[in-house]
Amino acid sequence: QQQVKQSPQSLIVQKGGISIINCAYENTAFDYFPWYQQFPGKGPALLIAIRPDVSEKKEGRFTISFNKSAKQFSLHIMDSQPGDSATYFCAARKNAGNMLTFGGGTRLMVKP
Amino acid sequence: EPEVTQTPSHQVTQMGQEVILRCVPISNHLYFYWYRQILGQKVEFLVSFYNNEISEKSEIFDDQFSVERPDGSNFTLKIRSTKLEDSAMYFCASSYGTGDTGELFFGEGSRLTVL
Repeated sequence: QQQVKQSPQSLIVQKGGISIINCAYENTAFDYFPWYQQFPGKGPALLIAIRPDVSEKKEGRFTISFNKSAKQFSLHIMDSQPGDSATYFCAARKNAGNMLTFGGGTRLMVKP
Repeated sequence: EPEVTQTPSHQVTQMGQEVILRCVPISNHLYFYWYRQILGQKVEFLVSFYNNEISEKSEIFDDQFSVERPDGSNFTLKIRSTKLEDSAMYFCASSYGTGDTGELFFGEGSRLTVL
């Protein structure tokens, strides 16, 4: 019940295209859903996050869509750029604590 | 911009040896964490620390692991007797608070290789 499942494991997108990464969770106690971006040799860095009281959150080219009834959320990267090439992790957290449960990661490559 | 710093960046050790990984969290942060990432796998929670005590720990964080805040700036992870399967990247993180002030900031990691 603690798992967060992420797909796909890897993704190749052409420059200017839309990258879509999906996550699903089981634990209904989760109420904070961040996405992290990790470049090689670096730690994960918070990209964007959402709470389940909204269905969508947009920051620049990055959008989270949240479907509470399906217990799914996704990251959309519009106008993908080669600089977006990184590993993306979804995560979930119960508000009562600070422990993040991470998905398995998606390695995104944006081809020029 | 304030950041979490970790040392060493890479440590190679023999199985059975003790290892200490060090972290300097962001100075006004109150909550400290260790996560690990085995090569090619997901990031896994180990432990959280607040007010000089462990607040949460995972099943991975067994008796071989311990954490300490020996002074006002450092936060350490000790592995008492390393095993081959402890080889991983260990990330320290810190946050100011929990909930809406609980954004985690991660360091760049310490790569541990156990031979």
